[in-house]
Amino acid sequence: SQQGEEDPQALSIQEGENATMNCSYKTSINNLQWYRQNSGRGLVHLILIRSNEREKHSGRLRVTLDTSKKSSSLLITASRAADTASYFCATDAETSGSRLTFGEGTQLTVNP
Amino acid sequence: GAGVSQTPSNKVTEKGKYVELRCDPISGHTALYWYRQSLGQGPEFLIYFQGTGAADDSGLPNDRFFAVRPEGSVSTLKIQRTERGDSAVYLCASSPLGQGGAETQYFGPGTRLLVL
Repeated sequence: SQQGEEDPQALSIQEGENATMNCSYKTSINNLQWYRQNSGRGLVHLILIRSNEREKHSGRLRVTLDTSKKSSSLLITASRAADTASYFCATDAETSGSRLTFGEGTQLTVNP
Repeated sequence: GAGVSQTPSNKVTEKGKYVELRCDPISGHTALYWYRQSLGQGPEFLIYFQGTGAADDSGLPNDRFFAVRPEGSVSTLKIQRTERGDSAVYLCASSPLGQGGAETQYFGPGTRLLVL
């Protein structure tokens, strides 16, 4: 079963705007990662945040983690048309060993 | 260096046939993972290898699915008596140490399997 749930399911914005995607999960986790996927093929790792971290930045990406609410958000600032993709959060639960459990993803469309 | 590669990129087969999907991980990566992704869904975990052994195969849906990694590098996912419901993109990933969610998993481009 899917641990993570992203919202919104789909997001359409204009170039230059910020995009915020949210992820909620059910069980206690060790780490949470965000991945990007173009055209339904391979996933590309974006950022990893550990359960004892609250915020992390990487370039135009900002990820927050609230373990009390079991939620995370991914913010992409100054979006570009090339950011158009599906974005997934993935968690490794404390009880699930090394497997990653992915949410259903947010489809982001950035219009030029 | 080369990333994770998967062959074939597309596979069309008939219901009831046997298929093998191959994954070449990044050289030196200890851990190898197989996931399955249906249209509009996130990837679902199938099996994880640490070296040659399957450390966690709890995601395999039934005994028609089997995977091997005999020399700790290349892995093959085998599906017997394929069913239409097996149609999906099969993704392989590898990571350096097998620390699960504590390290980046590097994904291949996937094999798109279509069972007619």
